[in-house]
Amino acid sequence: QVQLVQSGSELKKPGASVKVSCKATGYTFSSYGINWVRQAPGQGLEWMGWINTNTGNPTYAQGFTGRFVFSLDTSVSTAYLQISSLKAEDTAVYYCAREALSGYYPDYWGQGTLITVSS
Amino acid sequence: QSALTQPASVSGSPGQSITISCTGTSSDVGGYKYVSWYQQHPGKAPKLMIYEVSNRPSGVSNRFSGSKSGNTASLTISGLQSEDEADYYCTSYTSSPTLVFGGGTKLTVL
Repeated sequence: QVQLVQSGSELKKPGASVKVSCKATGYTFSSYGINWVRQAPGQGLEWMGWINTNTGNPTYAQGFTGRFVFSLDTSVSTAYLQISSLKAEDTAVYYCAREALSGYYPDYWGQGTLITVSS
Repeated sequence: QSALTQPASVSGSPGQSITISCTGTSSDVGGYKYVSWYQQHPGKAPKLMIYEVSNRPSGVSNRFSGSKSGNTASLTISGLQSEDEADYYCTSYTSSPTLVFGGGTKLTVL
C-alpha cells in the first residue's frame, strides 16, 4: 500500500539548517509529484509548493522562496525539504503529500515532522 | 494567493447533518473542478475525504458528500457520529497555478 514515511522530530537553534526526508513506498515514485505542507502550532494547513518527481523541477509558493529547497533522490524514492537560516516562526509540523495522478490535490500524506526552532 | 474562507467552527448532534462551506474566487474554487476536502484529527495527518468537488476515495463513508456552486464549495456530513469530530480543510487548484487551503473548520459533535 502507498506509504510516505517522514524523518523524526528535530530541535534546532535559530540560524541552523534542517533537512526533512519523505520516503515513498508502494507505488512508482517518479509517476506522482510530492507536495510539501506546513502547519504551525494551532494553525491551519499551508501549501509550500511541490516537486515534479519525474523532472525534479520544484515549484515554490509565495513566502517559501529563498530559504526552502525541495529535492529528490529517486534511487531511494525519497523527497527532501531543506530549510536554511531557521527562525522561530519556522516552528511547525511539515508534511509531505503525494500528488494524485489526475493532479491538483494531495491524496496520501506522510505522518508529519515537527521542527522546533528555539535557542 | 489568499486562503479560502471557511467558518471557524460548526457543530451538530449525533445523527444530524452539517455543511461546511469553502468560499473562494473565480480564479480558484469557481474556475476549476479541483476542490478537495481533508479531515484532520488532533495530532494526526490530514486524510483525503472528497476530491474533484464530489468524489469519495475508496474507504470513505458515503455519509460524506461534496458539491460546488459558483465560487463556493461545500462538504456535507450526514448522520453525524462522534468520530467525525475533527478539523476539516478544503483546498483548490488556482490559476497561478498553485494550491490554496481554506483556514479550516473545527467540527464539534455535541
